[in-house]
Amino acid sequence: EDKVVQSPLSLVVHEGDTVTLNCSYEVTNFRSLLWYKQEKKAPTFLFMLTSSGIEKKSGRLSSILDKKELFSILNITATQTGDSAIYLCAVEAEYGGATNKLIFGTGTLLAVQP
Amino acid sequence: DTEVTQTPKHLVMGMTNKKSLKCEQHMGHRAMYWYKQKAKKPPELMFVYSYEKLSINESVPSRFSPECPNSSLLNLHLHALQPEDSALYLCASSQERPSGRIEEQFFGPGTRLTVL
Repeated sequence: EDKVVQSPLSLVVHEGDTVTLNCSYEVTNFRSLLWYKQEKKAPTFLFMLTSSGIEKKSGRLSSILDKKELFSILNITATQTGDSAIYLCAVEAEYGGATNKLIFGTGTLLAVQP
Repeated sequence: DTEVTQTPKHLVMGMTNKKSLKCEQHMGHRAMYWYKQKAKKPPELMFVYSYEKLSINESVPSRFSPECPNSSLLNLHLHALQPEDSALYLCASSQERPSGRIEEQFFGPGTRLTVL
C-alpha cells in the first residue's frame, strides 16, 4: 500500500530558528513530490519536486528530493510567527492510466513562538 | 483569475436532507478533485474528474454523488449523510497533460460541513 510519512508530527520553535521537516514515501509509480502549507483553510502550494538533488528555493523556504532514499526535506530558515501552520507533503502517483493522484502525508504542525 | 471558489463556506444539514456543494475555477484546468479532510488529518481524495469525466472514485459511499457539468464547475451532491461525514470538503483543480501527469493542485477554501 502506498504511504507517505512525515516527521516530526509537531514542532515548537522560537522566531529566528531554522527548522527541517521530513517526508519519506513508499509509492508505486512515483511521479513527483509536492509540499503544501495549510493554515486555517485550504492548502497553499509551496514546491513541486521531480528530480533528485535539485534544490528548490523560495525566500526562506527550500526543499530537496532524494529519489534513491525516497525522502524529501523542507527547510525554513529565520522562522517567523507567520510560518506557523501544518506543512503537508504529497506524492503524485500514476494511477493505472487515468489521472494521476496525490497521496498526502499526515502533516507536520509547526508552531513558531515570538 | 487564479483561484478556486467554493460555496457555501459552511453547511449544516440533517441526515434526511439533500444538499449540494459547488466548486468553480476559471484557470482552464481540466482536472478537478474532491477531498474530505477531518480535523488534524490530511486531505483524503474522494473523486477526480479529468476532462469532465469521472476518472477516480476512491470507493466513496453512494450518499456522495459528484457531477461535473462543464470544465469550470464541479458539484458534490449530498443525500442521507451520517454525522461522521462532518468534515471540511476541499475542491482542487490542476492542469493535466494527456499522459495523465498533473501539475500542482490549487485548492479552494473548502466547505465546512456539519451533519446533525
